Amino acid sequence: SQQGEEDPQALSIQEGENATMNCSYKTSINNLQWYRQNSGRGLVHLILIRSNEREKHSGRLRVTLDTSKKSSSLLITASRAADTASYFCATRGSARQLTFGSGTQLTVLP
Amino acid sequence: DGGITQSPKYLFRKEGQNVTLSCEQNLNHDAMYWYRQDPGQGLRLIYYSQIVNDFQKGDIAEGYSVSREKKESFPLTVTSAQKNPTAFYLCASSMRGVGETQYFGPGTRLLVL
Repeated sequence: SQQGEEDPQALSIQEGENATMNCSYKTSINNLQWYRQNSGRGLVHLILIRSNEREKHSGRLRVTLDTSKKSSSLLITASRAADTASYFCATRGSARQLTFGSGTQLTVLP
Repeated sequence: DGGITQSPKYLFRKEGQNVTLSCEQNLNHDAMYWYRQDPGQGLRLIYYSQIVNDFQKGDIAEGYSVSREKKESFPLTVTSAQKNPTAFYLCASSMRGVGETQYFGPGTRLLVL
């Protein structure tokens, strides 16, 4: 079963705009991770946020975590055409495995 | 050049045939994983291994088998019992164990003839 669910399923924006993707999950977690996948390729790890953290930054990425609402958001600022990809959240719970959501397909138009 | 390699990039399977997908890593990671991805979907865990000679079933292990004889290698066999094998297969590894940051290979696309 999928723990994380991303919203929206697809997002299309203009270059330079900010992109926000959300992830909701059902059970308590140890950490939540965001990954990126270019079409037909493997996933690339972007950022990990632990359950006792509320916000984390990495370059143009900002991740927030609200454990009371069981949700996380990924913000990509000043988007570029090269940011076009699918973005997945993955949660680690008591089972210790990572469980991936179904992803948000981001398209950044030049 | 460190990383995870998967081969082949494309693989064709005939009815009743077993096929094996290769996954090799030189990152000195203890844990390795196999995922299946269907079009427009997320990843589903097939098998994972935390140490050599040990592996655990994931959510969709039926019709698949694995071995972990060496730390660097974690091959996946798709058996004839897997009735719907057409998918994109991804191998990953992590340093400490399950639940930590995972590093992915480029994937193998399996198609049925």
